[in-house]
Amino acid sequence: QVQLVESGGGVVQPGRSLRLSCAASGFTFSSYGMHWVRQAPGKGLEWVAIISYDGSKKYYADSVKGRFTSSRDNSKNTLYLQMNSLRAEDTAVYYCAKDAHFWSGYIDYWGQGTLVTVSS
Amino acid sequence: EIVLTQSPGTLSLSSGERATLSCRASQSVSRSYLAWYQQKPGQAPRLLIYGASSRATGIPDRFSGSGSGTDFTLTISRLEPEDFAVYYCQQYENSPFTFGPGTKVDIK
Repeated sequence: QVQLVESGGGVVQPGRSLRLSCAASGFTFSSYGMHWVRQAPGKGLEWVAIISYDGSKKYYADSVKGRFTSSRDNSKNTLYLQMNSLRAEDTAVYYCAKDAHFWSGYIDYWGQGTLVTVSS
Repeated sequence: EIVLTQSPGTLSLSSGERATLSCRASQSVSRSYLAWYQQKPGQAPRLLIYGASSRATGIPDRFSGSGSGTDFTLTISRLEPEDFAVYYCQQYENSPFTFGPGTKVDIK
């Protein structure tokens, strides 16, 4: 069965960096686009980024463009989110999620999320 | 960017009742690239509907989606106790693949 396990969350000071990882299993990772979606405490879902199956195409939400970078290592079945210049408003649970196809835009499986808290 | 608006914000109903949730887009989602997700407290979201009206694998047939253009609807024909949750719509017509703010279905 599909499993997505995020790691790397924690408490970080404003302006600092953090890298999230997502270990994928139970499907052919290299054949699917992957998303990052976040959810601030008590708030709704915010789509963050998508990366194509081969890493060649990436789109980002305006709120993170230029600060966050998504990448993947298909040899390790792992997705990454490099987050730089973090702000208090980036505080959220970050979900790694599998695209339903190689690049459709909707999500059929989600991880359980990792909490990132940006605070001094 | 396509902005999605969901209404009502909260829907208070009893088990066995019909729930009708609305999602309106700021511009046409011309290929019906709209999905619905369910989220329960402390859990990740779950895909219910894609392509505006296609049920995802394993989703009961009491869940149905309809609509096109800018107006979409999720209907739960008879609420079961496990259906009380927050429901989000998402458009995947264009990046950014935005979500609506959600509709909470709670117990009356």
